[in-house]
Amino acid sequence: DVKVTQSSRYLVKRTGEKVFLECVQDMDHENMFWYRQDPGLGLRLIYFSYDVKMKEKGDIPEGYSVSREKKERFSLILESASTNQTSMYLCASSFPGGAGETQYFGPGTRLLVL
Amino acid sequence: GEDVEQSLFLSVREGDSSVINCTYTDSSSTYLYWYKQEPGAGLQLLTYIFSNMDMKQDQRLTVLLNKKDKHLSLRIADTQTGDSAIYFCAEKKQLTFGSGTQLTVLP
Repeated sequence: DVKVTQSSRYLVKRTGEKVFLECVQDMDHENMFWYRQDPGLGLRLIYFSYDVKMKEKGDIPEGYSVSREKKERFSLILESASTNQTSMYLCASSFPGGAGETQYFGPGTRLLVL
Repeated sequence: GEDVEQSLFLSVREGDSSVINCTYTDSSSTYLYWYKQEPGAGLQLLTYIFSNMDMKQDQRLTVLLNKKDKHLSLRIADTQTGDSAIYFCAEKKQLTFGSGTQLTVLP
């Protein structure tokens, strides 16, 4: 079974702090994704990566950056956290050309910025 | 960009069928997906359909795709309380998800 893990289930940070969200997958997937989930808005794509050291902006990249130094790990960075970044953050991975190119999701990190 | 829309809420009685609907705008999407999210958890793939198919059935789940109307539906037969969750439709090309439909199954 594919396993996608996220470093924290819950995080509380203060405005202006630098925040790191880590995601690790164990199935050698090339593709990795970061989404945020907000009530009534569904999932919105922040950044994605199709290979090590590659990154592409999604629909809402402002205020975020990412790092993919190793294939299995994709980090989301909030350079200076703001209250409007309070959200649920979901990481996913997929294998290009795999069955439906299905995305496998981690359990999510619920971030509260005070 | 791509737009994927779903109604936010659906309630059904246990044992009835549930039908969750989704519309999308990009007719060139190759794959369309249904994901399920249980409380406090990430998303789990239920099923997907390739754009050259009209229907896909998997046990209690039936997916119907109407490409002309850009309409996707998920039917759950004999709905159980364990089916209560948020259901997301999604399309592959622009990695766009709908807002999710909260399905509540009443005893």
